[in-house]
Amino acid sequence: DQQVKQNSPSLSVQEGRISILNCDYTNSMFDYFLWYKKYPAEGPTFLISISSIKDKNEDGRFTVFLNKSAKHLSLHIVPSQPGDSAVYFCAASFRGSQGNLIFGKGTKLSVKP
Amino acid sequence: KAGVTQTPRYLIKTRGQQVTLSCSPISGHRSVSWYQQTPGQGLQFLFEYFSETQRNKGNFPGRFSGRQFSNSRSEMNVSTLELGDSALYLCASSLDRSRGTEAFFGQGTRLTVV
Repeated sequence: DQQVKQNSPSLSVQEGRISILNCDYTNSMFDYFLWYKKYPAEGPTFLISISSIKDKNEDGRFTVFLNKSAKHLSLHIVPSQPGDSAVYFCAASFRGSQGNLIFGKGTKLSVKP
Repeated sequence: KAGVTQTPRYLIKTRGQQVTLSCSPISGHRSVSWYQQTPGQGLQFLFEYFSETQRNKGNFPGRFSGRQFSNSRSEMNVSTLELGDSALYLCASSLDRSRGTEAFFGQGTRLTVV
């Protein structure tokens, strides 16, 4: 049973527009959430994270929103750039178990010039 | 600061053989985790080591094992390889296990079992 779900396998966005990537989770005990970006044949690259005690975290063009009541988080990329084209993974961990990340299956983002 | 280094990058093995993969974490990082990535299952947690002790283990058979050395370098071993073990194996290191610690990944080892 998947505890972290990314229901959109792919997303296509025009350069300069906003990209919104969504992630749902089922376990309310998750304490920490992260987004990773991955290119083919490379390891995931950490993008941004958010603690369960917050509802928003911003870092440059990337903002993560957490809605605990809906068990939903989203990653906003503004403005989107062609170099953002990659697979984006949402991940979650439990308190005291940050070494065990539970990943969604990823969303492939394509940003078209 | 050097990133997480995994060796080898690519490996081809025959069914029934065993394999050892190596991971050198970022300097100062004491937690090392291993993940398996396959097209069907995505990224799945194998195990985590912290200060030479296995702290967490995922839902994989006993053929998958690991260890961590005093310098935090880690190895994982897969015995009696099966075709289904073909995957990208990723290692991640983090500074410690306190709240809010991000994991940084290596480039992975692509294992092909034939």
